[in-house]
Amino acid sequence: EAGVTQFPSHSVIEKGQTVTLRCDPISGHDNLYWYRRVMGKEIKFLLHFVKESKQDESGMPNNRFLAERTGGTYSTLKVQPAELEDSGVYFCASSQDWGLESPLHFGNGTRLTVT
Amino acid sequence: LAKTTQPISMDSYEGQEVNITCSHNNIATNDYITWYQQFPSQGPRFIIQGYKTKVTNEVASLFIPADRKSSTLSLPRVSLSDTAVYYCLVGSNAGNNRKLIWGLGTSLAVNP
Repeated sequence: EAGVTQFPSHSVIEKGQTVTLRCDPISGHDNLYWYRRVMGKEIKFLLHFVKESKQDESGMPNNRFLAERTGGTYSTLKVQPAELEDSGVYFCASSQDWGLESPLHFGNGTRLTVT
Repeated sequence: LAKTTQPISMDSYEGQEVNITCSHNNIATNDYITWYQQFPSQGPRFIIQGYKTKVTNEVASLFIPADRKSSTLSLPRVSLSDTAVYYCLVGSNAGNNRKLIWGLGTSLAVNP
């Protein structure tokens, strides 16, 4: 089966610009998660979709971040306007079920650099 | 949510057994212990998960003492390709979601 894919793998933008990250989960996985790792820090949870609904968005840093999952398939994470502190690696993961017994499958991440 | 503590780095040699210990003193009754592996420029990959005692799969073993305040990931006969960062996570199914806290992980270097 195809894994979780993320696009782009790298993005370099200037402060104030907009960037949209995309995640394609494993087919059939209703649960989709976004995580972020800022340089030197831990991986942190951003939000969780169940199909097209936001189950938990408690980790979203602020309203400059907007995540969508229309149709319950792929998801996008838009940062607008980007700030320097948004730089980091954004990971997407999916799982078949929401419980811990269903492991998370991660993509390879999008490395975002805001200059 | 329980916070975990792991060694920042470890060194080993090919063919040796590697044991990485994780402390989670504040683990809650419903919490599970999960380990992930991450190679450079890749996302984390699930290795093993357990609640108590011992769990073994084709990749690793996980030892959890009775008090569950720590756990040890055991990698038998490591090879160069096992060089990676290993994360210990503790979390539970909270409501309709999973809650996991990631630490900085243990960077394992396997030498020839």
